[in-house]
Amino acid sequence: EDKVVQSPLSLVVHEGDTVTLNCSYEVTNFRSLLWYKQEKKAPTFLFMLTSSGIEKKSGRLSSILDKKELFSILNITATQTGDSAVYLCAVPNAGGTSYGKLTFGQGTILTVHP
Amino acid sequence: SAVISQKPSRDICQRGTSLTIQCQVDSQVTMMFWYRQQPGQSLTLIATANQGSEATYESGFVIDKFPISRPNLTFSTLTVSNMSPEDSSIYLCSVGIYQETQYFGPGTRLLVL
Repeated sequence: EDKVVQSPLSLVVHEGDTVTLNCSYEVTNFRSLLWYKQEKKAPTFLFMLTSSGIEKKSGRLSSILDKKELFSILNITATQTGDSAVYLCAVPNAGGTSYGKLTFGQGTILTVHP
Repeated sequence: SAVISQKPSRDICQRGTSLTIQCQVDSQVTMMFWYRQQPGQSLTLIATANQGSEATYESGFVIDKFPISRPNLTFSTLTVSNMSPEDSSIYLCSVGIYQETQYFGPGTRLLVL
């Protein structure tokens, strides 16, 4: 069974800090890894990673994948209170009867204090 | 990406009743999914909504409890039947647009009393 594990489960920082969120996975038919931000109900898409060692960047957020060690990290620099959210890592099933199914990690709850 | 809407946004229901949640997309999509997020938990796939055929359910979810319709490539419904307090969750539809990327609707927050 596919498995995605995130750490830490929660994190409290102050504005301006830099945070690193971790995601490890054990899946069959791996092709990509996704990061989402969930503030209220709907997860919003951040990144899709398919290749090892290639950093994806969007503003203060960046992410990288290591397919050899089976993990990904999400970095947020100069955090702001608006970054407070649950960050979810997910891996799509790329084959078989469950094609497209996203297996999610437990999420990391990030709280940024002023 | 696509613009995805869900109705209702939230509801409070009595146990034993049923609720139908609608998901509308502004463009035709091949892949559409329904997820559940129980309080304090991560997202779990309920089923894949297949256009023109029966939905494909994940282990632990059955059609009698969560009937799904997908009459065309832009619309789907999920019904939560014979509800109990354990069904209190956020229900989310998602669509696959590009490769394995999925985009989520705004969600339906359901409370069953």
